[in-house]
Amino acid sequence: AQSVTQPDIHITVSEGASLELRCNYSYGATPYLFWYVQSPGQGLQLLLKYFSGDTLVQGIKGFEAEFKRSQSSFNLRKPSVHWSDAAEYFCALKGTGRRALTFGSGTRLQVQP
Amino acid sequence: DAGVTQSPTHLIKTRGQQVTLRCSPKSGHDTVSWYQQALGQGPQFIFQYYEEEERQRGNFPDRFSGHQFPNYSSELNVNALLLGDSALYLCASSLFVGISTDTQYFGPGTRLTVL
Repeated sequence: AQSVTQPDIHITVSEGASLELRCNYSYGATPYLFWYVQSPGQGLQLLLKYFSGDTLVQGIKGFEAEFKRSQSSFNLRKPSVHWSDAAEYFCALKGTGRRALTFGSGTRLQVQP
Repeated sequence: DAGVTQSPTHLIKTRGQQVTLRCSPKSGHDTVSWYQQALGQGPQFIFQYYEEEERQRGNFPDRFSGHQFPNYSSELNVNALLLGDSALYLCASSLFVGISTDTQYFGPGTRLTVL
């Protein structure tokens, strides 16, 4: 079985502050990992992905994520948050031989001026 | 370059009715996956179509069925609608490069409300 846990349901940060969204996974091997962002009433936009190689991956909009096998984590970071980053963020996993993405329950990010 | 498109945007049905949702994949993509996203939750995988065949199915009843056409577009059909089928239905397309190694790109979704 595979699963994704996003421990923080809701996070509020001030504009210009740094951000880290947590993602933990359960899977018996090295998974393929993704972060998506969803604005209200919209579909999901891919921020970044990890398949193999360098454990620090860069994405769009200034986001990055680090894969830590020992901690079964794939946390998303941004050094300076902009008001337009307010949205729901989903971490997702795909196991070897699997076609389906397994999503976490999401973290809602609120940005204060 | 058009991304993934879905129609309609919104739909209201009553219990027991049937509904068809449509998806056109991103240009160059040949695989379509469907997801259901209930309010406040992450998307749940319904099924994936590749080469006009259902390749993998999630934990959804047979009331949920689909089809993929030769131009790679896809339909999701839901019969005997229940109140619990109210959700945002997301279509994702990808280029098949391996069972696990494709990257799925999502459309804007169809909001289905069942009364």
